Amino acid sequence: AQSVTQLDSHVSVSEGTPVLLRCNYSSSYSPSLFWYVQHPNKGLQLLLKYTSAATLVKGINGFEAEFKKSETSFHLTKPSAHMSDAAEYFCVAMDTGRRALTFGSGTRLQVQP
Amino acid sequence: GAGVSQSPSNKVTEKGKDVELRCDPISGHTALYWYRQSLGQGLEFLIYFQGNSAPDKSGLPSDRFSAERTGGSVSTLTIQRTQQEDSAVYLCASSLDGGGGTYNEQFFGPGTRLTVL
Repeated sequence: AQSVTQLDSHVSVSEGTPVLLRCNYSSSYSPSLFWYVQHPNKGLQLLLKYTSAATLVKGINGFEAEFKKSETSFHLTKPSAHMSDAAEYFCVAMDTGRRALTFGSGTRLQVQP
Repeated sequence: GAGVSQSPSNKVTEKGKDVELRCDPISGHTALYWYRQSLGQGLEFLIYFQGNSAPDKSGLPSDRFSAERTGGSVSTLTIQRTQQEDSAVYLCASSLDGGGGTYNEQFFGPGTRLTVL
């Protein structure tokens, strides 16, 4: 069975500084991995996905993530935070046999002016 | 429609009552998923429909929970004899195709917030 661990429940950064949201996965095979974002009172939106093509994945709004099999990690980064990035971020894995998504516990990103 | 819609947006019920939550997927999407988001358990998979195949019910927490999908489109999640621990946001998602080797993005609805008093 897959599991996803988000290492930080809260991350606070200043506007214009880099963002790093950490995620580790546990799987017996190469999973499909995703990052979703949830803004307050809004639905979940896909930021980016990794499906065994390039290990560095670029997503929307300047976010990217790197799949590192040796570290079983899929950390989300952005060079420069914007106030509008404040939201909850979920690292997600997919069981290709089932198609159901397994969510991490979420990381709340705060962006200070 | 433009996206996945869910109704009602909020539902308050008394313990022991039955509730029905509705999901309208994006037109043409053959796969439909229900998830639950609660403070204690985070986001959990409940059930998955793909075309005419038998649904994957492996995430349903108890036999009080059931779901159906009529005509391959609209889905209803029913919770019988609601308990306080059922309080959560129930999310529906749909995708173009739930099978095969290619992942198709799951598009999420805004959710139904269920409060059981």
